[in-house]
Amino acid sequence: GAVVSQHPSRVICKSGTSVKIECRSLDFQATTMFWYRQFPKQSLMLMATSNEGSKATYEQGVEKDKFLINHASLTLSTLTVTSAHPEDSSFYICSASDRGNSLTDTQYFGPGTRLTVL
Amino acid sequence: SQKIEQNSEALNIQEGKTATLTCNYTNYSPAYLQWYRQDPGRGPVFLLLIRENEKEKRKERLKVTFDTTLKQSLFHITASQPADSATYLCALEVTGGGNKLTFGTGTQLKVEL
Repeated sequence: GAVVSQHPSRVICKSGTSVKIECRSLDFQATTMFWYRQFPKQSLMLMATSNEGSKATYEQGVEKDKFLINHASLTLSTLTVTSAHPEDSSFYICSASDRGNSLTDTQYFGPGTRLTVL
Repeated sequence: SQKIEQNSEALNIQEGKTATLTCNYTNYSPAYLQWYRQDPGRGPVFLLLIRENEKEKRKERLKVTFDTTLKQSLFHITASQPADSATYLCALEVTGGGNKLTFGTGTQLKVEL
């Protein structure tokens, strides 16, 4: 149980294009989803927190107009990297929490999406 | 400033030995501390969670300790196996933090035959 999927697993795009990454909780309802970014040899850095049906909360230094997050249902959140540039190349990972319906405080992570911007 | 420190150098141990990884933090008052395993090119996988009022937690070959006075957590893998080779991350959630996790940089463990 508690499986989170991401799609696509890898994407290569040209500079200036937009890329959408999907995060789905497959067997539970995720009241909250989180988006992280991880550069090589570095730790996961939280970008934003999204709650179903409300606007995402972005961490300091993360441009909300560049990284658009939509959490339209309890099982799906999307991250759109708009006008991507080479410096946006990174490993993007989502996680989902069912904290609202569970006694646990565990986040379940997706497998990640490797974005390469040429 | 707030910091979560894990040994950045890889830890190499022999199969069958106990691996001990350290997570130190400063200027945090964590409600929970969690340990994750991350394989190359994959997302983290949850291993154990320990709360601020707990001293120790065990799960099969894994053991986590949490000392809020020393501001340190130790993560032990007993009878280590080559399959345990991965990067291990600790993560903190602070009280009232809305389930937000802050991660350490991780320690790479290599278990050799």
